Amino acid sequence: AQTVTQSQPEMSVQEAETVTLSCTYDTSESDYYLFWYKQPPSRQMILVIRQEAYKQQNATENRFSVNFQKAAKSFSLKISDSQLGDAAMYFCAYASGSRLTFGEGTQLTVNP
Amino acid sequence: DVKVTQSSRYLVKRTGEKVFLECVQDMDHENMFWYRQDPGLGLRLIYFSYDVKMKEKGDIPEGYSVSREKKERFSLILESASTNQTSMYLCASWGRGTAENEQFFGPGTRLTVL
Repeated sequence: AQTVTQSQPEMSVQEAETVTLSCTYDTSESDYYLFWYKQPPSRQMILVIRQEAYKQQNATENRFSVNFQKAAKSFSLKISDSQLGDAAMYFCAYASGSRLTFGEGTQLTVNP
Repeated sequence: DVKVTQSSRYLVKRTGEKVFLECVQDMDHENMFWYRQDPGLGLRLIYFSYDVKMKEKGDIPEGYSVSREKKERFSLILESASTNQTSMYLCASWGRGTAENEQFFGPGTRLTVL
């Protein structure tokens, strides 16, 4: 079974600074997808960024980028120029087929 | 835009009651999912459905059942609610026409069982 681990229950960052959230996963498959979802206080889950395992290039979406290390089974999220609106719970997720497996979540606080 | 709605944002029930959580999506998605979210545990899959009247157990199906009579609607049923089912419940959907494996989520139902 696939597992996803986020070892940082809480992180904090100063506004305008950069923060990196860690995620590792375990799988025996070679073709899969990885995601970072954001859950603000409104509780609405929002997709932040997606990475396809067969693509070597790291995904980027504006201020959000990932460091995907397939051999190490690591998938970290970097948030640059942090904004107050980035404060949320962040979940790393693994997908093979239609099922998602989520990590425990990292609560990000952004300090003004 | 894909829209996934859930019948209640907050729900309070008593131990032993039968509880129905409803989820509706408006994008003709084949796949629908029910998750439970607890602090420190992330989201855990309870059940999912890949077609009308089809269902598969997820990782924590005990104490729950589901119903999918129409493509757009997926119901989660707690036959006899217990206090350990107090949690946040999230519904999601995914269709073959959307970006690979991206699931769209409802706003969640926070259920308290007294």
